[in-house]
Amino acid sequence: GEDVEQSLFLSVREGDSSVINCTYTDSSSTYLYWYKQEPGAGLQLLTYIFSNMDMKQDQRLTVLLNKKDKHLSLCIADTQTGDSAIYFCAERAGTASKLTFGTGTRLQVTL
Amino acid sequence: NAGVTQTPKFQVLKTGQSMTLQCAQDMNHNSMYWYRQDPGMGLRLIYYSASEGTTDKGEVPNGYNVSRLNKREFSLRLESAAPSQTSVYFCASSDRDRERQPQHFGDGTRLSIL
Repeated sequence: GEDVEQSLFLSVREGDSSVINCTYTDSSSTYLYWYKQEPGAGLQLLTYIFSNMDMKQDQRLTVLLNKKDKHLSLCIADTQTGDSAIYFCAERAGTASKLTFGTGTRLQVTL
Repeated sequence: NAGVTQTPKFQVLKTGQSMTLQCAQDMNHNSMYWYRQDPGMGLRLIYYSASEGTTDKGEVPNGYNVSRLNKREFSLRLESAAPSQTSVYFCASSDRDRERQPQHFGDGTRLSIL
């Protein structure tokens, strides 16, 4: 079955780059997503990448995909205090509509 | 633009009580989902509905029932609440006919069972 893993916590200083990592097991993954959850709120879609891509850039966000190692990264440039949140990666296998989520990485941005 | 609306936002129940969590979406999406979020465990799928009139079990369906009332609404029912069901519940929806199919989430229902 599908399994998605993330480290639980990351602390960075304001202005530095953040790298949040995710590994998944399902080789039939088609789309991979990054969601952001701020305190007391639902999940907000940040970006996604199709499985035949290696990289996708969207303003301060860069997504890197190593399909061979089933490893996904979210890089945030010039990290700000407003980026403090929990970040979830999620995968969609094949044509299924449902997603499998990782456990989430709490990003703490310090001054 | 409301998106996905969940009610109530907070609820406290006693063990054995029943409760229905409501979810409605105004994006004309085909698919709807119920998740629970627990510390250190991410989001776990309880039930989902790929289209109006169909429902399927997810990863953790025991103790729950769902109803896809129409295309807009998908409710989650706890028939006899247990303390292990204390959690934050999220409803989501997606458009099955769009290839990317990102899921859109409500703000959650925080449920405590005493």
